[in-house]
Amino acid sequence: RKEVEQDPGPFNVPEGATVAFNCTYSNSASQSFFWYRQDCRKEPKLLMSVYSSGNEDGRFTAQLNRASQYISLLIRDSKLSDSATYLCVVNKGAEAGGTSYGKLTFGQGTILTVHP
Amino acid sequence: GAVVSQHPSWVICKSGTSVKIECRSLDFQATTMFWYRQFPKQSLMLMATSNEGSKATYEQGVEKDKFLINHASLTLSTLTVTSAHPEDSSFYICSAQRLAHHNEQFFGPGTRLTVL
Repeated sequence: RKEVEQDPGPFNVPEGATVAFNCTYSNSASQSFFWYRQDCRKEPKLLMSVYSSGNEDGRFTAQLNRASQYISLLIRDSKLSDSATYLCVVNKGAEAGGTSYGKLTFGQGTILTVHP
Repeated sequence: GAVVSQHPSWVICKSGTSVKIECRSLDFQATTMFWYRQFPKQSLMLMATSNEGSKATYEQGVEKDKFLINHASLTLSTLTVTSAHPEDSSFYICSAQRLAHHNEQFFGPGTRLTVL
């Protein structure tokens, strides 16, 4: 089983649509959760961190269910510029005896295409 | 804030040569930086964790003698691909970890390496 699993899509939606992405993670000790977006041939860019209480940033809402080890991202009123690959990312936190504050594990990404 | 630069952005070299890639955090200090590699249509794969002032930690399957990492200051880490071969052609991306706000990582723009 992959550490972070996402539906690869692709999702093709019209402008203005609402789209939801789901992600599950296998390590129950995971501590931090993020959604990144990656445009073609570019680096990933942080979209938002995901907090236990759920959080919203404009048209984007992220939710975390620790009991189910499930993370979601909801995009409302989709724009053409939202077309990208959305990466679910998990940080396991500090490693015992180590200096690193945790490595990120990436899901394979969900491709979103918003069309006119 | 939280800008990470990478240099060069692309490089083409002959098989057998060594290539050095620089990663800099421009407006924050990063005791930990990470090096990733991404092949076409695949997600990012962590190669190594670079800790300022100490040896890098490599992921399983990554040859430390082939991918030399130096993290000499709190704002600079370098990756040297030694004796590059065509199979090393890939998109190399670094990230720098900001020790606050869920230890978010910010990515450099990546370096596209093509080995002929």
